[in-house]
Amino acid sequence: SAVISQKPSRDICQRGTSLTIQCQVDSQVTMMFWYRQQPGQSLTLIATANQGSEATYESGFVIDKFPISRPNLTFSTLTVSNMSPEDSSIYLCSADGTIHNEQFFGPGTRLTVL
Amino acid sequence: AQTVTQSQPEMSVQEAETVTLSCTYDTSENNYYLFWYKQPPSRQMILVIRQEAYKQQNATENRFSVNFQKAAKSFSLKISDSQLGDTAMYFCAFGSGGSNYKLTFGKGTLLTVNP
Repeated sequence: SAVISQKPSRDICQRGTSLTIQCQVDSQVTMMFWYRQQPGQSLTLIATANQGSEATYESGFVIDKFPISRPNLTFSTLTVSNMSPEDSSIYLCSADGTIHNEQFFGPGTRLTVL
Repeated sequence: AQTVTQSQPEMSVQEAETVTLSCTYDTSENNYYLFWYKQPPSRQMILVIRQEAYKQQNATENRFSVNFQKAAKSFSLKISDSQLGDTAMYFCAFGSGGSNYKLTFGKGTLLTVNP
């Protein structure tokens, strides 16, 4: 299984600013995914990031608000732009495993927007 | 679109006992994958067990096993000899067998193991 790290692990940000979350995988992977998890809730997929192409966003999420980069097969970033308190959440990245649909997750980034 | 339902928001079990978490799903596909993930308070999502729909044999991983009923679209997780470290949120997830590699998660079941 892949080992995934995220930075930062947590942050407190001011309204109107932006935060970039980094996700690093210890091996090359085809697909990476970004999720949002509200406190006590399930995971909601934001977008799928493939290397060499633009990210594919889920309904309700747009590139201007959540720009994603995927410069190589081991790294991706998610930016939360022009933040509001409603963006306070845990953001998780994951990468595909060897079994179809299997995903391994990073430890998450806890974001608080004041 | 696929849906995943976990009807038990919270459960508790005594240490060393057995507990079963339920999960049902809705799909028109015949080939798909099912997963149980565990998220302890540290919030790290950990893959517990997986089941390929084309396999009739139920998957097992040490103290964790599933009861996969394809016709009933049911995928329950049994934890034997529960340990304090099993305390976590458990999510059932569905993955399509096609070119879509996304996972659909249930709302989760919070399991507490009591000493």
